[in-house]
Amino acid sequence: DGGITQSPKYLFRKEGQNVTLSCEQNLNHDAMYWYRQDPGQGLRLIYYSQIVNDFQKGDIAEGYSVSREKKESFPLTVTSAQKNPTAFYLCASRTGTSLDEQFFGPGTRLTVL
Amino acid sequence: AQKVTQAQTEISVVEKEDVTLDCVYETRDTTYYLFWYKQPPSGELVFLIRRNSFDEQNEISGRYSWNFQKSTSSFNFTITASQVVDSAVYFCALSSHNAGNMLTFGGGTRLMVKP
Repeated sequence: DGGITQSPKYLFRKEGQNVTLSCEQNLNHDAMYWYRQDPGQGLRLIYYSQIVNDFQKGDIAEGYSVSREKKESFPLTVTSAQKNPTAFYLCASRTGTSLDEQFFGPGTRLTVL
Repeated sequence: AQKVTQAQTEISVVEKEDVTLDCVYETRDTTYYLFWYKQPPSGELVFLIRRNSFDEQNEISGRYSWNFQKSTSSFNFTITASQVVDSAVYFCALSSHNAGNMLTFGGGTRLMVKP
């Protein structure tokens, strides 16, 4: 089955710790995205990557880092510099065609204790 | 800059009622795409429809229909004969070349369908 997987589904972290969220896709999509969703709000773009070994900051990149070493994988690290990391994180991917729809993974809910 | 506004934050209806979710957008581009996504309680966003700026034909898919009007910059979504399974948060989104093909989301509308 083709799709996007995110792990883990729930993640708990102590304040001051870095944590990495996984995102894998087997859709052969070129572009991948990370969004953050806070309760009752829409999605905000953290980082995106349109090709392997290249990525760009989105609207709220501070306190986050990413890598894109393989086409299928786009992990997101939430660093201790992120002041309010508790949120729902969604990964998405899209084909190379510029205005195609994005397909989303099931999300990871991060809670900082 | 582009913007999407979903003025209705929450709507509650009784099963079998029709309901319309509003979406108003702003963009300076002449070429753009509009999208609707559904987010059920599980959290994953499910793609519903994509419409390009040159196609103002309304679309119907089962109980779902979409009304795109460039004159009012609106792309409204109607669910006919709503069902409890329609309960979810619905997002309208916009993508355009001059905005780097990034998706800009509205704030979402939470729809609650009561039995």
